[in-house]
Amino acid sequence: SQTIHQWPATLVQPVGSPLSLECTVEGTSNPNLYWYRQAAGRGLQLLFYSVGIGQISSEVPQNLSASRPQDRQFILSSKKLLLSDSGFYLCAWRGGGRESGELFFGEGSRLTVL
Amino acid sequence: AQSVSQHNHHVILSEAASLELGCNYSYGGTVNLFWYVQYPGQHLQLLLKYFSGDPLVKGIKGFEAEFIKSKFSFNLRKPSVQWSDTAEYFCAVNAAGKLIFGQGTTLQVKP
Repeated sequence: SQTIHQWPATLVQPVGSPLSLECTVEGTSNPNLYWYRQAAGRGLQLLFYSVGIGQISSEVPQNLSASRPQDRQFILSSKKLLLSDSGFYLCAWRGGGRESGELFFGEGSRLTVL
Repeated sequence: AQSVSQHNHHVILSEAASLELGCNYSYGGTVNLFWYVQYPGQHLQLLLKYFSGDPLVKGIKGFEAEFIKSKFSFNLRKPSVQWSDTAEYFCAVNAAGKLIFGQGTTLQVKP
């Protein structure tokens, strides 16, 4: 069966420090991968999505970037964190080519920038 | 631009009361619609989905939703809520391969 993992689950970082959140999917190949940020009262905001290795689409201008170095690995990064980057980040996957399919979410990573 | 709007941000009900959460979307193409639920401390999980066919879809735990194309709506309903339904509920629309979510509705059910 397919599983999705993201880590770390909790992260506290100072302003200006770098960030790396990782997400891996197992049990499937060529998934579509997504990074969302969940904020209270604002729902889930789509940050990035990827339909294949090295293919990244950015939905909103921001201080973050994403990379997909391997088929089932999706990384969210920042060179210098801002206070406004604090939030709950969710990775999700969907079967490649299944544009109408549901998303499956990871456990989430809570980032606090101080 | 595609968007999803959930009318109620916070709903408080007593057990056995009926529930209806509103969801409207803005997208001109063919839509796939979803309701996700997030119980306290747990992952987001799918409650129900609409792809095509019967506009009244049934999901897990007694939930159902009705797709009304003319109103661009996909409201979630449950005839009798339980304390265990306390959670946050998200409506989402598949727009050109991207899942766009609403702001979420927090449901609190009082025993």
